[in-house]
Amino acid sequence: DAKTTQPTSMDCAEGRAANLPCNHSTISGNEYVYWYRQIHSQGPQYIIHGLKNNETNEMASLIITEDRKSSTLILPHATLRDTAVYYCIVRVADGATNKLIFGTGTLLAVQP
Amino acid sequence: NAGVMQNPRHLVRRRGQEARLRCSPMKGHSHVYWYRQLPEEGLKFMVYLQKENIIDESGMPKERFSAEFPKEGPSILRIQQVVRGDSAAYFCASSPGGNPGEKLFFGSGTQLSVL
Repeated sequence: DAKTTQPTSMDCAEGRAANLPCNHSTISGNEYVYWYRQIHSQGPQYIIHGLKNNETNEMASLIITEDRKSSTLILPHATLRDTAVYYCIVRVADGATNKLIFGTGTLLAVQP
Repeated sequence: NAGVMQNPRHLVRRRGQEARLRCSPMKGHSHVYWYRQLPEEGLKFMVYLQKENIIDESGMPKERFSAEFPKEGPSILRIQQVVRGDSAAYFCASSPGGNPGEKLFFGSGTQLSVL
């Protein structure tokens, strides 16, 4: 699976959009981009994933660049409860193994 | 529809004792994954199991650690002769199984403390 690079930490004001970047310059054509988050001491929570097209669900939007070498997770209206470590993971979706390899992630601190 | 259930939530063991951590996957899920998170560190993959089979144990320490997922009942992560360095949060995840790229759903974890 391709390696990802994320900033160590970010701040965001409550109510504003949080834009979390991720670089995955060695991504292959059959690799998906997944985002999970971990709120302190809890198990990771799935947020969203995508292959080429931008994706949106009730939690967030995922914007993937045309060359697929980077992506941005957008939380449209961050709340204090969105303070967490956000993990960007690239994974081959071939069914051989569905395990996720977590990096160090981005600690997002939402400020009141 | 209950999520992934892990128990106990907290487990305290003395050095040399055995620790057994249990994970019941979501209903209908036949694949289980175990992860370990040491204090102030990221999640490290340990093992991936299907019912009665170990698919990938590339992250399991070579000694003292074992995992099983029997035909009936929860998945068990067993740590023999625990040492202080085993103190960590252990998370279990499950997925339906058989679908490329399917999502993993995580439990709340077991916090193991070794005295």
